[in-house]
Amino acid sequence: SQTIHQWPATLVQPVGSPLSLECTVEGTSNPNLYWYRQAAGRGLQLLFYSVGIGQISSEVPQNLSASRPQDRQFILSSKKLLLSDSGFYLCAWSPLARGGGTEAFFGQGTRLTVV
Amino acid sequence: RKEVEQDPGPFNVPEGATVAFNCTYSNSASQSFFWYRQDCRKEPKLLMSVYSSGNEDGRFTAQLNRASQYISLLIRDSKLSDSATYLCVVTPQYSSASKIIFGSGTRLSIRP
Repeated sequence: SQTIHQWPATLVQPVGSPLSLECTVEGTSNPNLYWYRQAAGRGLQLLFYSVGIGQISSEVPQNLSASRPQDRQFILSSKKLLLSDSGFYLCAWSPLARGGGTEAFFGQGTRLTVV
Repeated sequence: RKEVEQDPGPFNVPEGATVAFNCTYSNSASQSFFWYRQDCRKEPKLLMSVYSSGNEDGRFTAQLNRASQYISLLIRDSKLSDSATYLCVVTPQYSSASKIIFGSGTRLSIRP
């Protein structure tokens, strides 16, 4: 069966510090991978998605970047965090499916507080 | 206009009531539709897919109206445990490189 791991679960970082959140998927190959952010009481904002190694699509210009160094690894980074980067970060994967989308499966999320 | 829009609620209904949510989408080429449930401070989890012919899973019924570009979720005989945020999801592109777009969610609170 497929599983997705995301860590850490919670993180408190000072303004201006770097960030690296990691997500890995097991039990599947060639997944589509996604990073979302959810501000308190708000919906999920799609940040990045990837259809393959080294292929990253950015949805919202911001202080963050993403990389996919391996097929089942997706990393979210920032060189210098801002207060506005606080939120609940969710990694997700979906099966590669020709002819249309499929549902997404989420990691447990990282609650980031920038202080 | 947002790609996917939902009434944020909150919907506050008594236990046993029937409640319905709608979700509108802007891209007529959208292909796949889902409803997710998100509990407080947890990740979203798939509730059900939405098929063109509509589908039912126990107390939950989902329907798609392509002509008017909306999907709906009906919950019958609501339980306290149904309290959560319900997110509609649309995959807008007919391709293997589909983005998955979430609505902002509708909060549902069931009272005893």
